[in-house]
Formats: sequence, C-alpha cells, structure tokens
Amino acid sequence: SQQGEEDPQALSIQEGENATMNCSYKTSINNLQWYRQNSGRGLVHLILIRSNEREKHSGRLRVTLDTSKKSSSLLITASRAADTASYFCATDLVYSGGGADGLTFGKGTHLIIQP
Amino acid sequence: EADIYQTPRYLVIGTGKKITLECSQTMGHDKMYWYQQDPGMELHLIHYSYGVNSTEKGDLSSESTVSRIRTEHFPLTLESARPSHTSQYLCASSEYKYRGPNTFGSGTRLTVV
Repeated sequence: SQQGEEDPQALSIQEGENATMNCSYKTSINNLQWYRQNSGRGLVHLILIRSNEREKHSGRLRVTLDTSKKSSSLLITASRAADTASYFCATDLVYSGGGADGLTFGKGTHLIIQP
Repeated sequence: EADIYQTPRYLVIGTGKKITLECSQTMGHDKMYWYQQDPGMELHLIHYSYGVNSTEKGDLSSESTVSRIRTEHFPLTLESARPSHTSQYLCASSEYKYRGPNTFGSGTRLTVV
C-alpha cells in the first residue's frame, strides 16, 4: 500500500487564500520532503523536515510534522496563480524492507489557484 | 535552476524500436535515479545508481536498462519499445550522503504507437 498519501487529491481556491495539503505515512521516517510539479515538468524540491523537527518555514511555505500521527502538512499562505501545480510528499524511510534505496512518493495534491 | 538535463523532451516512436533516454547532471552528484510517472499519478523508482559502474533496480519492475560509465551521465535504454512503455520518465540526482533532496530534470514524455 502507498507509503505517502496526500489529501486532498485536488484543491481549488481563490488567489490570496491559504492552501493546506496533508500527507500521511505508515512507517518510521528519517525525513519527509515536499515537492512541486508544474504540469508535465520535473519536480522541484520545496522543503525537507527531519523526524526530530516539528515545523519549518520557507518564504510562504510552512511545513509541520507530527511523527506520533505519522502525518505532515504543507501550508501555502497568500496563494498566487503561479502556485498552481501538483504537490507531492516524499518519505525517507528508516527501514525500506529491503526495497530500493530511494524516496517514496505519494500521489500528490493538485492545487488550482483561481485568479 | 536545476543542472540536470534530459533529452529528448518528447518522443513518439513505433513499437519495436530501440530508444535511449539521455540524462546528464553537472553537479557532481554520485547518486542518480530514474522514475516513471503516469499522468496524475505518483512517481515510481525504476532504477538508481550510487556512482560509476553501479546500477540497481528500483521498486517498480521495468524492462528498461541503465548504465553509469561516467558520473554525470545516466542513460536509460529500452531495447524494444511497446505501447505499455508510454509514460513520463524523470531523471534525478542527489548527494550520496543520505536520502536528501532529489534534483529533477524536466522529464521525457514517451509515447509508443
């Protein structure tokens, strides 16, 4: 089953509003990362939060991590039309079960900012 | 801006053809990855490499192969393309100290007809 699950799958808000996306995961992590993907393009790394951190900020982005609930949230404040994109969380698992040595990505949240 | 380049950007090719997707990075990163992504879906890791002469299979089984003869170059090859290979292929790299941020290329959108 999917390690990282974003919620909601899609979100449409007005420009200027705040957008919140959530990510849940199932097993212990070393860190959790958020990425943005514009339509048909590669992903851009936004922010990394380690398992011993609870909150990080970067410009208009705020990420929280609750390891007891195995969840993270990404808040984009004062949204802009240019924020329209898909947002993915990716987890660095403590134990990958003998699987591949890489990040595990969720299905993403598609964010639309209406002008 | 990311210093990782993928070519071609788009490729439409007939069934049975051999194709090579190119990926190069100028950051000196040891670790490189290939992901496969269908539209609106998550990324699946299909290959990765720890450095020169290292290649490993990812979580998603793939009929493609990779090579790593130079640090900066990590091409992916399909010997005989099929319509089921139609997808977007994303190359990425990271510093090989921990599973830190991946730097992605713009991707190759492959269509096999």
